Amino acid sequence: AQTVTQSQPEMSVQEAETVTLSCTYDTSESNYYLFWYKQPPSRQMILVIRQEAYKQQNATENRFSVNFQKAAKSFSLKISDSQLGDTAMYFCAFILNGAGNMLTFGGGTRLMVKP
Amino acid sequence: EAQVTQNPRYLITVTGKKLTVTCSQNMNHEYMSWYRQDPGLGLRQIYYSMNVEVTDKGDVPEGYKVSRKEKRNFPLILESPSPNQTSLYFCASRMKYGSTEAFFGQGTRLTVV
Repeated sequence: AQTVTQSQPEMSVQEAETVTLSCTYDTSESNYYLFWYKQPPSRQMILVIRQEAYKQQNATENRFSVNFQKAAKSFSLKISDSQLGDTAMYFCAFILNGAGNMLTFGGGTRLMVKP
Repeated sequence: EAQVTQNPRYLITVTGKKLTVTCSQNMNHEYMSWYRQDPGLGLRQIYYSMNVEVTDKGDVPEGYKVSRKEKRNFPLILESPSPNQTSLYFCASRMKYGSTEAFFGQGTRLTVV
């Protein structure tokens, strides 16, 4: 079974600064996908960024980027120029490629952006 | 607008009183699932369905039932709720392949007293 670990239950960052959220996972498979989801106080789950394991290039979406280290099974999220609206719970998630596989989530990191 | 709709958003009930949380999606997705979210544990899958009349257990299925009579609907049933089922519940849908984005409902905060 796959597991996902987020070792930082809570983090804070000053507005406009950069913060990195950590995520590690465990799998014996080589073909999979990794995601970061954001959950603001509204509770909505919002996809932030996605990484295919077969791609060496790190995914980026505007101020959000990842550091994907496949050998180390590490998938950290970097948020640049943090904004107050980035305050949320962030979940790292893993899924094997193929039909019908289950999305496995980490325990989450609560991020507070301070003015 | 593509969306997953679950109702109700908030529910307080008493131990043993059967309840149903509804979930509907308008994207013709094959795969639907239910999760519960608890502090420090993230989201854990309760049940999932690959297609109509096909359902299977996730990681934490005890105390829950589901049905998939139509492709768009996937209700979660608690036959005899207990206080340890107090949690935040999410319904999600996606195409059947894992590479695709999962779409989530807005969550149901359930309290069992």
